[in-house]
Amino acid sequence: KAGVTQTPRYLIKTRGQQVTLSCSPISGHRSVSWYQQTPGQGLQFLFEYFSETQRNKGNFPGRFSGRQFSNSRSEMNVSTLELGDSALYLCASSFTAGGPFTDTQYFGPGTRLTVL
Amino acid sequence: DQQVKQNSPSLSVQEGRISILNCDYTNSMFDYFLWYKKYPAEGPTFLISISSIKDKNEDGRFTVFLNKSAKHLSLHIVPSQPGDSAVYFCAASESLHGSSNTGKLIFGQGTTLQVKP
Repeated sequence: KAGVTQTPRYLIKTRGQQVTLSCSPISGHRSVSWYQQTPGQGLQFLFEYFSETQRNKGNFPGRFSGRQFSNSRSEMNVSTLELGDSALYLCASSFTAGGPFTDTQYFGPGTRLTVL
Repeated sequence: DQQVKQNSPSLSVQEGRISILNCDYTNSMFDYFLWYKKYPAEGPTFLISISSIKDKNEDGRFTVFLNKSAKHLSLHIVPSQPGDSAVYFCAASESLHGSSNTGKLIFGQGTTLQVKP
């Protein structure tokens, strides 16, 4: 069974630009969560999508948005990039939400975003 | 406010010995706990989890212990191997208490484990 895939793996952008990251969950998984990892803040939850609906959101500005498609693939968008947005962006998928063990999240390799 | 804390940023153990990684949490609503292992430039890899209805879960060399009264969990690796050298994150979620926070893992800051040959 293929794991979670994320594209692109590396991305370099300049301040003010926008970026779209893609995540394909494990087949059969309907929940996709996004996390940002930075050296100073660790792993922080961005948002979670389940059946094309955003079910939960972390404490990030509105420049960070996402969506999920009917095939459970998800995209994350960051507009008006800032230097502080440089990070490893991870997505994780799980089978469903609302119960133990089915909630175990499996992570993709991440997209390393560098903002210059 | 750090809801999940790993107070030891690093740990070094000898190959073959036991590694004990600790994690404390403050939110009593957390009912599902996970440990992940992470190598640089890769996503976290799921290791083991435990539900709050249990106090121990074992999977091969990995055992997680949960002490709900102390809001403390620990990961034991026995015996430790050099390939275990990585950053270990504990994470918590509110899986069982309604759906408002499902899909959201709260991570600790991580502990870097070094296993020396």
